[in-house]
Amino acid sequence: DADVTQTPRNRITKTGKRIMLECSQTKGHDRMYWYRQDPGLGLRLIYYSFDVKDINKGEISDGYSVSRQAQAKFSLSLESAIPNQTALYFCATSDGSEETQYFGPGTRLLVL
Amino acid sequence: GQQVMQIPQYQHVQEGEDFTTYCNSSTTLSNIQWYKQRPGGHPVFLIQLVKSGEVKKQKRLTFQFGEAKKNSSLHITATQTTDVGTYFCAGRAGGTSYGKLTFGQGTILTVHP
Repeated sequence: DADVTQTPRNRITKTGKRIMLECSQTKGHDRMYWYRQDPGLGLRLIYYSFDVKDINKGEISDGYSVSRQAQAKFSLSLESAIPNQTALYFCATSDGSEETQYFGPGTRLLVL
Repeated sequence: GQQVMQIPQYQHVQEGEDFTTYCNSSTTLSNIQWYKQRPGGHPVFLIQLVKSGEVKKQKRLTFQFGEAKKNSSLHITATQTTDVGTYFCAGRAGGTSYGKLTFGQGTILTVHP
């Protein structure tokens, strides 16, 4: 949905570099999520946040950190990128009552 | 932790054939959602099932939620080339409506004209 944007859309970086992926939403949702998608593994949850002061680890949080700067912004950082973090990363938002998740367009990351 | 398994991983059909993907959870779910991701796109919500034994239809798509709320299926009748993409189920753990979603691995559907 255009209401959920991600930057950059594509990124190539080198092993050991720090990189930040950003997500913004205009849907007014409190809940935001970061997923990574790998072939054959589906979507795996990295971190999620139910409001600005709430940050929770997902199933694969090692090597990642997040920041919820505002209701509308949720950033994902790779402190020291490694090749097996090469993946497609999606941000998503949801309204607590509706529970549908709305995904951004994704960021394709390649770590060399 | 909760696991959601989805089969098959790939399905190739001729246009006009039917297609079914199955989803099984290791734990009882409070609800299950289905998403579709077109090639090169992002997942888009299709439907949510909440009740035991629930069946919902959207045109040629039929969604079912098992009696035990541990499995679900998506059936497409008479596939069309517009149906191509990856179909994901996503389960929310039982006992709370505020839990996070656990996605299945997805089924990649290819439709040959």
